[in-house]
Amino acid sequence: QQQVKQSPQSLIVQKGGISIINCAYENTAFDYFPWYQQFPGKGPALLIAIRPDVSEKKEGRFTISFNKSAKQFSLHIMDSQPGDSATYFCAASFNSGGSNYKLTFGKGTLLTVNP
Amino acid sequence: GAGVSQSPSNKVTEKGKDVELRCDPISGHTALYWYRQRLGQGLEFLIYFQGNSAPDKSGLPSDRFSAERTGGSVSTLTIQRTQQEDSAVYLCASGVYEQYFGPGTRLTVT
Repeated sequence: QQQVKQSPQSLIVQKGGISIINCAYENTAFDYFPWYQQFPGKGPALLIAIRPDVSEKKEGRFTISFNKSAKQFSLHIMDSQPGDSATYFCAASFNSGGSNYKLTFGKGTLLTVNP
Repeated sequence: GAGVSQSPSNKVTEKGKDVELRCDPISGHTALYWYRQRLGQGLEFLIYFQGNSAPDKSGLPSDRFSAERTGGSVSTLTIQRTQQEDSAVYLCASGVYEQYFGPGTRLTVT
């Protein structure tokens, strides 16, 4: 059972464009939703995260939009740059006991930003 | 400060051999997680450690997998009698909400 569904699998955007990646979750117990960026050969790096008490969070060019009723959240990358080319993962977690926030990940989106 | 470190970065082993993967978390982080990333897939949770509490082993795929954390710091993930399907990148993370990942160990079972 895939609890976090991510789309699209791959995305090609022109420099300066907006990249949008979507995720949907099933478990209503989830209360923390991070996005990770991963470059080839590296571990995932935390990019931005949101809790369900807000509908949007913005950090620089990166924005998370959150729709609790639809159980969906998305990452928007404004003014996309070639250096943003990477794989992006959405994830979700909740406290399953003793401060255990094990993450459930989507399958990832390979973003390519063409110069 | 120093991030999460893992060793070795790459490991090639023959089917049936045992392997040990090491993780050094960020100093002071009491929560430590292991995840597995298969080619082209998202990360799968394996095991969680928090201080002296009993670990959450619910993600371990079989009894060939085990992990320990000594002294509340370094953790070792052991895979016994490796199989080809164990080939993956094994990632360690420390932190609670905000989990910081190491670079991973790429395991190839031939």
